[in-house]
Amino acid sequence: SQQGEEDPQALSIQEGENATMNCSYKTSINNLQWYRQNSGRGLVHLILIRSNEREKHSGRLRVTLDTSKKSSSLLITASRAADTASYFCATKLDSNYQLIWGAGTKLIIKP
Amino acid sequence: EADIYQTPRYLVIGTGKKITLECSQTMGHDKMYWYQQDPGMELHLIHYSYGVNSTEKGDLSSESTVSRIRTEHFPLTLESARPSHTSQYLCASSLFGGTNTGELFFGEGSRLTVL
Repeated sequence: SQQGEEDPQALSIQEGENATMNCSYKTSINNLQWYRQNSGRGLVHLILIRSNEREKHSGRLRVTLDTSKKSSSLLITASRAADTASYFCATKLDSNYQLIWGAGTKLIIKP
Repeated sequence: EADIYQTPRYLVIGTGKKITLECSQTMGHDKMYWYQQDPGMELHLIHYSYGVNSTEKGDLSSESTVSRIRTEHFPLTLESARPSHTSQYLCASSLFGGTNTGELFFGEGSRLTVL
Protein backbone atom coordinates (compact mmCIF):
# COMPACT_ATOMS: atom_id res chain seq x y z
CA SER A 1 0.00 0.00 0.00
CA GLN A 2 1.15 3.56 -0.58
CA GLN A 3 2.96 5.21 2.31
CA GLY A 4 1.96 8.71 1.41
CA GLU A 5 -1.46 10.23 1.23
CA GLU A 6 -1.86 13.66 -0.20
CA ASP A 7 -4.58 16.16 0.25
CA PRO A 8 -6.32 17.80 -1.34
CA GLN A 9 -6.60 15.57 -4.41
CA ALA A 10 -7.21 18.68 -6.48
CA LEU A 11 -6.81 22.40 -5.87
CA SER A 12 -7.85 25.32 -8.07
CA ILE A 13 -6.78 28.85 -7.17
CA GLN A 14 -6.32 32.25 -8.78
CA GLU A 15 -2.95 33.33 -10.07
CA GLY A 16 -1.06 35.19 -7.38
CA GLU A 17 -2.60 33.27 -4.48
CA ASN A 18 -0.67 30.81 -2.35
CA ALA A 19 -1.18 27.06 -2.76
CA THR A 20 -0.74 24.57 0.08
CA MET A 21 -0.61 20.81 -0.33
CA ASN A 22 -0.26 18.24 2.41
CA CYS A 23 1.28 14.80 2.61
CA SER A 24 0.92 12.26 5.41
CA TYR A 25 2.90 9.07 5.83
CA LYS A 26 2.84 6.03 8.08
CA THR A 27 6.36 4.94 9.08
CA SER A 28 9.58 6.64 10.13
CA ILE A 29 11.46 8.19 7.25
CA ASN A 30 14.97 9.23 6.26
CA ASN A 31 13.73 12.07 4.06
CA LEU A 32 10.67 13.34 2.22
CA GLN A 33 10.76 14.70 -1.31
CA TRP A 34 8.36 16.69 -3.46
CA TYR A 35 8.12 16.32 -7.22
CA ARG A 36 6.17 18.14 -9.93
CA GLN A 37 4.68 16.53 -13.00
CA ASN A 38 3.36 18.53 -15.91
CA SER A 39 0.59 16.82 -17.85
CA GLY A 40 1.89 13.90 -19.90
CA ARG A 41 5.52 14.44 -18.84
CA GLY A 42 8.00 12.92 -16.43
CA LEU A 43 8.46 14.04 -12.83
CA VAL A 44 10.87 16.74 -11.75
CA HIS A 45 12.43 16.86 -8.29
CA LEU A 46 11.58 20.07 -6.43
CA ILE A 47 12.85 19.88 -2.89
CA LEU A 48 14.00 17.41 -0.26
CA ILE A 49 13.66 17.69 3.50
CA ARG A 50 15.49 15.37 5.87
CA SER A 51 13.91 13.84 8.94
CA ASN A 52 15.94 16.11 11.25
CA GLU A 53 14.82 19.27 9.47
CA ARG A 54 11.59 21.15 10.13
CA GLU A 55 11.45 23.67 7.31
CA LYS A 56 13.15 24.29 4.02
CA HIS A 57 12.88 26.97 1.34
CA SER A 58 13.67 27.02 -2.35
CA GLY A 59 12.58 30.10 -4.27
CA ARG A 60 8.79 30.32 -3.97
CA LEU A 61 8.59 26.88 -2.37
CA ARG A 62 8.43 26.25 1.34
CA VAL A 63 8.31 22.76 2.78
CA THR A 64 7.63 21.84 6.38
CA LEU A 65 7.98 18.48 8.07
CA ASP A 66 6.36 17.40 11.34
CA THR A 67 7.71 13.97 12.21
CA SER A 68 5.51 13.71 15.32
CA LYS A 69 2.43 13.98 13.11
CA LYS A 70 4.08 12.17 10.20
CA SER A 71 3.09 14.92 7.82
CA SER A 72 4.58 17.47 5.45
CA SER A 73 3.24 20.46 3.61
CA LEU A 74 4.33 22.18 0.42
CA LEU A 75 3.55 25.87 0.06
CA ILE A 76 3.87 27.63 -3.28
CA THR A 77 3.72 31.39 -2.84
CA ALA A 78 2.54 33.90 -5.45
CA SER A 79 1.35 31.16 -7.80
CA ARG A 80 1.75 31.45 -11.57
CA ALA A 81 -0.04 29.76 -14.45
CA ALA A 82 3.14 27.75 -15.07
CA ASP A 83 2.72 26.13 -11.64
CA THR A 84 -0.27 24.20 -12.98
CA ALA A 85 0.79 20.57 -12.56
CA SER A 86 0.44 17.53 -10.32
CA TYR A 87 2.57 17.49 -7.18
CA PHE A 88 3.72 14.25 -5.57
CA CYS A 89 5.36 13.58 -2.24
CA ALA A 90 7.69 10.61 -1.84
CA THR A 91 9.29 9.25 1.30
CA LYS A 92 12.60 7.46 1.66
CA LEU A 93 12.91 5.01 4.53
CA ASP A 94 16.16 4.37 6.40
CA SER A 95 15.93 0.68 5.58
CA ASN A 96 15.15 0.97 1.89
CA TYR A 97 16.67 2.87 -1.01
CA GLN A 98 13.37 3.02 -2.84
CA LEU A 99 10.94 5.91 -2.65
CA ILE A 100 7.32 5.40 -1.61
CA TRP A 101 4.87 7.64 -3.43
CA GLY A 102 1.69 9.50 -2.61
CA ALA A 103 -1.21 9.76 -5.02
CA GLY A 104 -0.54 13.39 -5.88
CA THR A 105 -2.35 16.73 -5.76
CA LYS A 106 -3.52 18.24 -9.02
CA LEU A 107 -3.01 22.02 -8.90
CA ILE A 108 -4.73 24.35 -11.35
CA ILE A 109 -3.79 28.03 -11.42
CA LYS A 110 -6.47 30.18 -13.04
CA PRO A 111 -5.24 33.30 -14.85
CA GLU B 1 17.80 19.11 -16.57
CA ALA B 2 18.08 15.34 -16.25
CA ASP B 3 20.08 13.40 -18.82
CA ILE B 4 17.71 10.47 -19.10
CA TYR B 5 15.97 9.67 -22.33
CA GLN B 6 13.01 7.51 -23.23
CA THR B 7 11.88 6.36 -26.66
CA PRO B 8 9.35 6.22 -28.10
CA ARG B 9 7.38 9.03 -26.46
CA TYR B 10 4.14 7.71 -27.93
CA LEU B 11 3.33 4.26 -29.30
CA VAL B 12 0.04 2.83 -30.59
CA ILE B 13 0.12 -0.86 -31.42
CA GLY B 14 -2.19 -3.82 -31.90
CA THR B 15 -2.84 -6.63 -29.45
CA GLY B 16 -0.25 -9.39 -29.50
CA LYS B 17 2.66 -7.28 -30.72
CA LYS B 18 6.05 -7.33 -29.03
CA ILE B 19 7.33 -3.93 -27.93
CA THR B 20 10.45 -2.59 -26.29
CA LEU B 21 10.55 0.74 -24.50
CA GLU B 22 14.04 2.21 -24.42
CA CYS B 23 15.61 4.12 -21.55
CA SER B 24 19.12 5.54 -21.42
CA GLN B 25 20.88 7.83 -18.97
CA THR B 26 24.24 9.56 -19.22
CA MET B 27 24.70 10.38 -15.53
CA GLY B 28 26.48 7.14 -14.62
CA HIS B 29 23.75 6.23 -12.14
CA ASP B 30 23.76 2.69 -10.85
CA LYS B 31 20.10 2.46 -9.94
CA MET B 32 17.38 2.53 -12.56
CA TYR B 33 13.62 2.08 -12.30
CA TRP B 34 10.51 1.56 -14.37
CA TYR B 35 7.22 2.96 -13.10
CA GLN B 36 3.74 2.53 -14.53
CA GLN B 37 1.32 5.43 -14.17
CA ASP B 38 -2.24 5.83 -15.35
CA PRO B 39 -3.26 9.44 -16.11
CA GLY B 40 -3.53 11.54 -12.96
CA MET B 41 -2.79 8.59 -10.73
CA GLU B 42 0.03 7.46 -8.45
CA LEU B 43 3.24 5.80 -9.62
CA HIS B 44 3.65 2.03 -9.34
CA LEU B 45 7.13 0.51 -9.37
CA ILE B 46 7.28 -2.43 -11.78
CA HIS B 47 11.03 -3.09 -12.13
CA TYR B 48 14.31 -1.81 -10.76
CA SER B 49 18.00 -2.49 -11.05
CA TYR B 50 20.94 -1.85 -8.72
CA GLY B 51 23.49 -2.18 -11.49
CA VAL B 52 24.66 -4.25 -14.44
CA ASN B 53 23.16 -7.75 -14.50
CA SER B 54 20.89 -6.91 -11.56
CA THR B 55 17.11 -6.71 -12.04
CA GLU B 56 14.25 -7.03 -9.58
CA LYS B 57 10.48 -6.93 -9.77
CA GLY B 58 8.74 -4.03 -8.10
CA ASP B 59 5.58 -3.76 -6.05
CA LEU B 60 3.18 -3.97 -8.98
CA SER B 61 3.02 -7.25 -10.83
CA SER B 62 3.81 -6.76 -14.47
CA GLU B 63 4.04 -9.04 -17.49
CA SER B 64 6.93 -7.01 -18.79
CA THR B 65 10.62 -7.92 -18.51
CA VAL B 66 13.76 -5.80 -18.25
CA SER B 67 17.48 -6.23 -18.82
CA ARG B 68 20.58 -4.33 -17.65
CA ILE B 69 23.55 -5.24 -19.78
CA ARG B 70 25.07 -1.76 -19.70
CA THR B 71 24.97 0.79 -16.89
CA GLU B 72 23.37 3.43 -19.08
CA HIS B 73 20.67 1.31 -20.68
CA PHE B 74 17.54 -0.25 -19.10
CA PRO B 75 15.02 -1.38 -21.72
CA LEU B 76 11.56 -2.74 -20.89
CA THR B 77 9.95 -5.40 -23.10
CA LEU B 78 6.40 -6.65 -23.46
CA GLU B 79 6.35 -9.93 -25.40
CA SER B 80 2.64 -9.78 -26.25
CA ALA B 81 0.90 -6.47 -25.64
CA ARG B 82 -2.72 -6.34 -24.48
CA PRO B 83 -5.17 -3.46 -24.00
CA SER B 84 -4.64 -3.75 -20.22
CA HIS B 85 -1.02 -2.64 -20.81
CA THR B 86 -2.21 0.76 -22.01
CA SER B 87 -0.55 3.24 -19.68
CA GLN B 88 2.33 5.66 -19.29
CA TYR B 89 5.70 4.11 -18.48
CA LEU B 90 8.27 6.26 -16.70
CA CYS B 91 11.96 5.45 -16.45
CA ALA B 92 14.07 6.95 -13.66
CA SER B 93 17.57 6.70 -12.25
CA SER B 94 19.37 7.57 -9.03
CA LEU B 95 22.74 7.34 -7.37
CA PHE B 96 23.46 4.26 -5.30
CA GLY B 97 25.29 4.35 -2.04
CA GLY B 98 24.99 4.70 1.70
CA THR B 99 24.63 8.47 1.76
CA ASN B 100 22.41 8.91 -1.26
CA THR B 101 19.14 10.70 -0.74
CA GLY B 102 17.15 8.61 -3.15
CA GLU B 103 16.42 11.59 -5.41
CA LEU B 104 15.13 10.33 -8.73
CA PHE B 105 15.74 11.72 -12.20
CA PHE B 106 12.93 10.91 -14.63
CA GLY B 107 12.65 10.60 -18.36
CA GLU B 108 9.73 12.19 -20.20
CA GLY B 109 7.79 8.94 -20.29
CA SER B 110 6.49 6.57 -22.96
CA ARG B 111 2.75 6.59 -23.47
CA LEU B 112 1.63 3.19 -24.73
CA THR B 113 -1.78 2.50 -26.25
CA VAL B 114 -2.69 -1.07 -27.15
CA LEU B 115 -5.70 -1.47 -29.41
